[in-house]
Amino acid sequence: DVKVTQSSRYLVKRTGEKVFLECVQDMDHENMFWYRQDPGLGLRLIYFSYDVKMKEKGDIPEGYSVSREKKERFSLILESASTNQTSMYLCASSRLRVEQYFGPGTRLTVT
Amino acid sequence: AQSVSQHNHHVILSEAASLELGCNYSYGGTVNLFWYVQYPGQHLQLLLKYFSGDPLVKGIKGFEAEFIKSKFSFNLRKPSVQWSDTAEYFCAVNDHTGKLIFGQGTTLQVKP
Repeated sequence: DVKVTQSSRYLVKRTGEKVFLECVQDMDHENMFWYRQDPGLGLRLIYFSYDVKMKEKGDIPEGYSVSREKKERFSLILESASTNQTSMYLCASSRLRVEQYFGPGTRLTVT
Repeated sequence: AQSVSQHNHHVILSEAASLELGCNYSYGGTVNLFWYVQYPGQHLQLLLKYFSGDPLVKGIKGFEAEFIKSKFSFNLRKPSVQWSDTAEYFCAVNDHTGKLIFGQGTTLQVKP
């Protein structure tokens, strides 16, 4: 079974703090993705990565950055958290053009 | 830009009723199509997928979907829903880059 794990299920941070969300997959997948999920908006892609040290912007990259130093690990960074970044963050991994496997999500609240 | 549209945002059914959730996409190229489900408190998981071949695909838990290329549609069906099908359902399209484009989601509530 593919396993995608995320470092925290729930996180509360203050406005202006730097936030790190970690994602690890154990299936040697090339591709990794970060989404945010908001009611009525579905899942929106923030960033994705096709390989180590490679990253591509998704649909809503503003205010976020990513890091992929190892194949199994993909980090999402909020340089200076803001209240409009309060959301559920989902990580996923896949091989090219096949189904993505999702982690349990991190519910981030920025106060 | 590619987009995916789910027609129903919130559906309420009684147990044993039939279900059909609509999904349309806008992308002219070759697509892979997916339905994902998110049960309350659980992570998003794959319900079924279509890559090629028979346009009627069967997934887990008695769900099926039909790909109609001429209508750019991939509707999800189940003949008889159960209370345990209460969840949020997402249609998604995967383009040539490998990115998934999701619909807005449909919340299904099944009354016992």
